[in-house]
Amino acid sequence: DTAVSQTPKYLVTQMGNDKSIKCEQNLGHDTMYWYKQDSKKFLKIMFSYNNKELIINETVPNRFSPKSPDKAHLNLHINSLELGDSAVYFCASSQDFLSGGFFGPGTRLTVL
Amino acid sequence: AQSVTQPDIHITVSEGASLELRCNYSYGATPYLFWYVQSPGQGLQLLLKYFSGDTLVQGIKGFEAEFKRSQSSFNLRKPSVHWSDAAEYFCAVGPREGGYNKLIFGAGTRLAVHP
Repeated sequence: DTAVSQTPKYLVTQMGNDKSIKCEQNLGHDTMYWYKQDSKKFLKIMFSYNNKELIINETVPNRFSPKSPDKAHLNLHINSLELGDSAVYFCASSQDFLSGGFFGPGTRLTVL
Repeated sequence: AQSVTQPDIHITVSEGASLELRCNYSYGATPYLFWYVQSPGQGLQLLLKYFSGDTLVQGIKGFEAEFKRSQSSFNLRKPSVHWSDAAEYFCAVGPREGGYNKLIFGAGTRLAVHP
C-alpha cells in the first residue's frame, strides 16, 4: 500500500489557469506538508497542516491555497498559474517531528 | 540565518569505492539532522537521522553519518557504493523547539556511480 500518494503525477497547463493537486496519506499521521522543488532541485516548505489546522505558511503567494478536508488529505489549489510555478511539488506527512517525514512521489507541474 | 550547505553539487565514484557526502549547517542550536535520498523520478526517502546520543548513526542501505558539533557537520558515508546508489542526496535540519515541524534542506548532491 502506498503511504503517501499524490495525483496527478504530471500536470501540464497554460498560464492563467487554475489547477489542483491532491495528496492522501494512509499512515494515520497528524501532520501533512507541501514542499516545492525548483529546477535546481532546491526543496522548500510551503505549508504544514496539523489535524486540519494550518500551522506553517511560508510566505507563499496567496494564489496558492491548501485545503485539508480531513487529516488524511491535504490538497493544493493554485490560481492564475505563472511560469515560475513550474516545479515538482511534494506532499509529506509525519506523526511527529522525530520521524522526519514520509514523502509522496511528487507532482511535476509545467506551466506553458 | 538558518541554512544547510552541501558543498558538492555533483560527485562521481566508481562502484565499490567508498563515499562521503558533506553537509554543514548554520543554526542557533544543535538541530535535528536528517539525510534523504531521491532516486530519479521518485520522492524522498529518509536514510537516517540524528537527535542525540551516539554521534555516529546508522541508516538504511548501508549508510552511516557522523555528527560533529565542533564543525557543525553531518557527513554521510558508505564504505562500498553500489550502482543503485546513484541518486540525489539531501541533508536537512529541523528545530528542536518551536512547536511545529519545519525541515530546511540543502541544495542536494547528485551522486553518479561508474561501473
